[in-house]
Amino acid sequence: GAVVSQHPSRVICKSGTSVKIECRSLDFQATTMFWYRQFPKKSLMLMATSNEGSKATYEQGVEKDKFLINHASLTLSTLTVTSAHPEDSSFYICSARERATDTQYFGPGTRLTVL
Amino acid sequence: DQQVKQNSPSLSVQEGRISILNCDYTNSMFDYFLWYKKYPAEGPTFLISISSIKDKNEDGRFTVFLNKSAKHLSLHIVPSQPGDSAVYFCAAQTGANNLFFGTGTRLTVIP
Repeated sequence: GAVVSQHPSRVICKSGTSVKIECRSLDFQATTMFWYRQFPKKSLMLMATSNEGSKATYEQGVEKDKFLINHASLTLSTLTVTSAHPEDSSFYICSARERATDTQYFGPGTRLTVL
Repeated sequence: DQQVKQNSPSLSVQEGRISILNCDYTNSMFDYFLWYKKYPAEGPTFLISISSIKDKNEDGRFTVFLNKSAKHLSLHIVPSQPGDSAVYFCAAQTGANNLFFGTGTRLTVIP
């Protein structure tokens, strides 16, 4: 079946540094990729939607200058958390919508810990 | 505010019995509903879906029922197997856009 990978699976960084998370669709083309953040005991919160070749659409309350999203190709989207702070520590999950079937597949997530 | 709610955080069922996972939503504009299954340390994987024009969709041991008037859907697993133990998320979307997820229900199937 379709697979979405995320790299790294977990990262620990110092406050003030930037962290890049990659999301790849391994065997299908994804016209749209989504970035979610998961809070403890809460549902996944959509952060932004990115379409290949265009600017990402951010959800209300999500700082676009802090969470930079690039969707350079039909198989790769990146989320860069700039000047990370401890409150950014979370589980970030991407998903990719398969162009052929319109099904959305989730990546395994990236655990970010900001010290 | 949660537009999709799963009010039972956990459920335990004996192997071979039926598991029923429930989900409620508030937005009447949702026209597509999905169930995801998630194992620890893995991302949610798609399980089964249903369009708002239907009230039932079946795939093997999994059946999803949709009650639009009650804004309620449920996932039935029968017979339940130990390998079904996981967290199940329901999700809803309007058109072809982003998904609104519930908070998940942890199913434990007891051998």
